[in-house]
Amino acid sequence: AQSVAQPEDQVNVAEGNPLTVKCTYSVSGNPYLFWYVQYPNRGLQFLLKYITGDNLVKGSYGFEAEFNKSQTSFHLKKPSALVSDSALYFCAVRDIGGTYKYIFGTGTRLKVLA
Amino acid sequence: DSGVTQTPKHLITATGQRVTLRCSPRSGDLSVYWYQQSLDQGLQFLIQYYNGEERAKGNILERFSAQQFPDLHSELNLSSLELGDSALYFCASSPSVGETQYFGPGTRLLVL
Repeated sequence: AQSVAQPEDQVNVAEGNPLTVKCTYSVSGNPYLFWYVQYPNRGLQFLLKYITGDNLVKGSYGFEAEFNKSQTSFHLKKPSALVSDSALYFCAVRDIGGTYKYIFGTGTRLKVLA
Repeated sequence: DSGVTQTPKHLITATGQRVTLRCSPRSGDLSVYWYQQSLDQGLQFLIQYYNGEERAKGNILERFSAQQFPDLHSELNLSSLELGDSALYFCASSPSVGETQYFGPGTRLLVL
């Protein structure tokens, strides 16, 4: 079965420092991977996706993610964190077969400290 | 703003009651997905529709049902509500199946 894991419930980083939010996946076949961000009292906003091609994917708000097949990881990164990046981040994998539903990780709360 | 709208934003009701949540997908999107976000279960897929037809079912209880109308809006019906049904319910849409899903702001349901 497809699954994703976000091993950290919370990540704290100082403003201006690089940030990484971790995600590992388990899929059969080629993965379709996504990152979403959820701000308080808001819906999920699409950040970026990996389907195929370049292992470094660039997304919205200066975020990028690195797909690593050997380590089955898809970590979200940003070179310089902003206080406004503080939010809940979800990694997701698209199910294979006919459903195309997303299977989400448990989420990682990012706190950027001024 | 994703272009997906959901109403109402908040809903407070009592156990045993029935409620209807509404979702309007982005213009042109044919596929609609419903998810439930609760504290203990995380984000769980409930059901998917494509162009009016049910496409896939996830962890949807028998007390819950949904449909997608000819104008492509969708409704999620929750009946015989229990305290444990309190959650955020999200709708997402995509142009077709398998494409990137865009989420609405959610409906927060509180069952008292």
